[in-house]
Amino acid sequence: NSKVIQTPRYLVKGQGQKAKMRCIPEKGHPVVFWYQQNKNNEFKFLINFQNQEVLQQIDMTEKRFSAECPSNSPCSLEIQSSEAGDSALYLCASSLPGSYEQYFGPGTRLTVL
Amino acid sequence: AQSVTQPDARVTVSEGASLQLRCKYSYSATPYLFWYVQYPRQGLQLLLKYYSGDPVVQGVNSFEAEFSKSNSSFHLQKASVHWSDSAVYFCALSQAYQGGRALIFGTGTTVSVSP
Repeated sequence: NSKVIQTPRYLVKGQGQKAKMRCIPEKGHPVVFWYQQNKNNEFKFLINFQNQEVLQQIDMTEKRFSAECPSNSPCSLEIQSSEAGDSALYLCASSLPGSYEQYFGPGTRLTVL
Repeated sequence: AQSVTQPDARVTVSEGASLQLRCKYSYSATPYLFWYVQYPRQGLQLLLKYYSGDPVVQGVNSFEAEFSKSNSSFHLQKASVHWSDSAVYFCALSQAYQGGRALIFGTGTTVSVSP
């Protein structure tokens, strides 16, 4: 079973509010991914890191989304000004470098009222 | 463009019956393919993976999948399902970015196992 930890499990925000979620990857996994899973089970890859460095980020052009993986601290994903369309399950996954297997946390379910 | 299609949104089977979940992919190169399962209020758990070699791969909980390059498919099977197999199953494909490998997911098949 995966040991990726995500907090909080549930997050409720009003429109325009900041929403921040955190992820602790599996021990020894320096590669971290963030995905958004909507209610129709459509997944969107958001960003990934190796250690503290961004490897790839997709479709964060609105710039409301930001993410970081500081050394010796949890990774985080923050939405600066939440919108109703941001309501989704945000999944964090981690992997070993060079591995294609990703191990997922339980997700943070964001509801934007 | 790369894509994964799971044509069956919902499948209902009786406990003890066999199960097959279909997955079709579109990818120009050799794909790396995965099946994940998502139980209610949980994240995704890896069931099995295919990289190369024997087209039939075994996974956890007696699941197996068969890769077919000619059909661009990676179907998941289980000979005899249990009520605890009720979940959402996702087929996924790995593509290469610049050192990162984001997964492309299908939209899942919800499996309901009836007693």
